[in-house]
Amino acid sequence: SQELEQSPQSLIVQEGKNLTINCTSSKTLYGLYWYKQKYGEGLIFLMMLQKGGEEKSHEKITAKLDEKKQQSSLHITASQPSHAGIYLCGADIGTGGFKTIFGAGTRLFVKA
Amino acid sequence: NAGVTQTPKFRVLKTGQSMTLLCAQDMNHEYMYWYRQDPGMGLRLIHYSVGEGTTAKGEVPDGYNVSRLKKQNFLLGLESAAPSQTSVYFCASSFGGTQYFGPGTRLTVL
Repeated sequence: SQELEQSPQSLIVQEGKNLTINCTSSKTLYGLYWYKQKYGEGLIFLMMLQKGGEEKSHEKITAKLDEKKQQSSLHITASQPSHAGIYLCGADIGTGGFKTIFGAGTRLFVKA
Repeated sequence: NAGVTQTPKFRVLKTGQSMTLLCAQDMNHEYMYWYRQDPGMGLRLIHYSVGEGTTAKGEVPDGYNVSRLKKQNFLLGLESAAPSQTSVYFCASSFGGTQYFGPGTRLTVL
């Protein structure tokens, strides 16, 4: 079955540093989603990317989808303790957008 | 708007017991989902529904049943709980591809 590989599995950064999380698939992604999960809570939608080469930003978080639509990256600039949590990528594997698979997640720790 | 709500938040069951998890959404979404989240495995789709009265199997449906009698509610049932069903369960609804998640139910089966 199609899988999404996320890297790294966990990340510890000093406050103020930049970081990048990657999400890779062996197949074309119809829609790519980034979610953030605070420890012990539900998932919060961050961004959705659909077109090859697309890039979106929200505050200090930027997500990109490569031209082949097989890899996405999430970049955080000047990390803050509030960025800590688990970041998950999800992707549509069927038409209609109602079947989404998820990566295993990247745990981000930000040291103050 | 309450968004997506789940009840209960925590539950401990003994092997063989049954229970129902309730998911409710007030956004009038057609699509609803049940996932389980286990360490190192991300989210796995159990069952989903594309509208009132319809359900379909996801990636890991065995041991679970669902019902969508009303558009706003999606119920997940465990008829005979097993320790392998210890997990955190998330419900979601979606519109335009974006999924909105509930806060989760932490279930432990002893």
